[in-house]
Amino acid sequence: EDQVTQSPEALRLQEGESSSLNCSYTVSGLRGLFWYRQDPGKGPEFLFTLYSAGEEKEKERLKATLTKKESFLHITAPKPEDSATYLCAGGANAGKSTFGDGTTLTVKP
Amino acid sequence: EAGVTQSPTHLIKTRGQQATLRCSPISGHTSVYWYQQALGLGLQFLLWYDEGEERNRGNFPPRFSGRQFPNYSSELNVNALELEDSALYLCASSLGLAANNEQFFGPGTRLTVL
Repeated sequence: EDQVTQSPEALRLQEGESSSLNCSYTVSGLRGLFWYRQDPGKGPEFLFTLYSAGEEKEKERLKATLTKKESFLHITAPKPEDSATYLCAGGANAGKSTFGDGTTLTVKP
Repeated sequence: EAGVTQSPTHLIKTRGQQATLRCSPISGHTSVYWYQQALGLGLQFLLWYDEGEERNRGNFPPRFSGRQFPNYSSELNVNALELEDSALYLCASSLGLAANNEQFFGPGTRLTVL
């Protein structure tokens, strides 16, 4: 069975304190590894797609990387507005994406 | 470009009733996905439609059903509502079978079952 596990469940950072979120996956027929940001009560906002091990993508203070078993979302010098839940998902054949439970990031000023 | 839209924003029903939720995908997208997100929990895959056909469904009972219309919009029907059906229901769309399954989400419908 496909599985995506995110850690930690919750992360509290001071503004400017860099850190990383982890996503471990076992997804049969992986077509892409996706990262989303979700604010409370809203739909997830697409951030990145990673297709192969070694790939990296960046957007503002966020950088996503991919290995054969894990993906990391690195947050450099975060700001309070980066506070959200970050979701990781493995996209497979037959259209099904398996989502992790997310990491809730809180950045304090 | 308009994103994925969902209606209604909120829906309140009582146990045993039926609920209908609607979704319009991004223009050009042929695939529509439905997910359930209970409060504080992760996204659970419900259904996937592409080109009017149900392509895959998650581990949910048959009282969760839906359809996709010729214009690619979709509706999700939940029959015989139970209290535990209370959740945020999210619709996503993508370019379909030949694409990389990159999904874009709507704002969701909050269903409350009393």
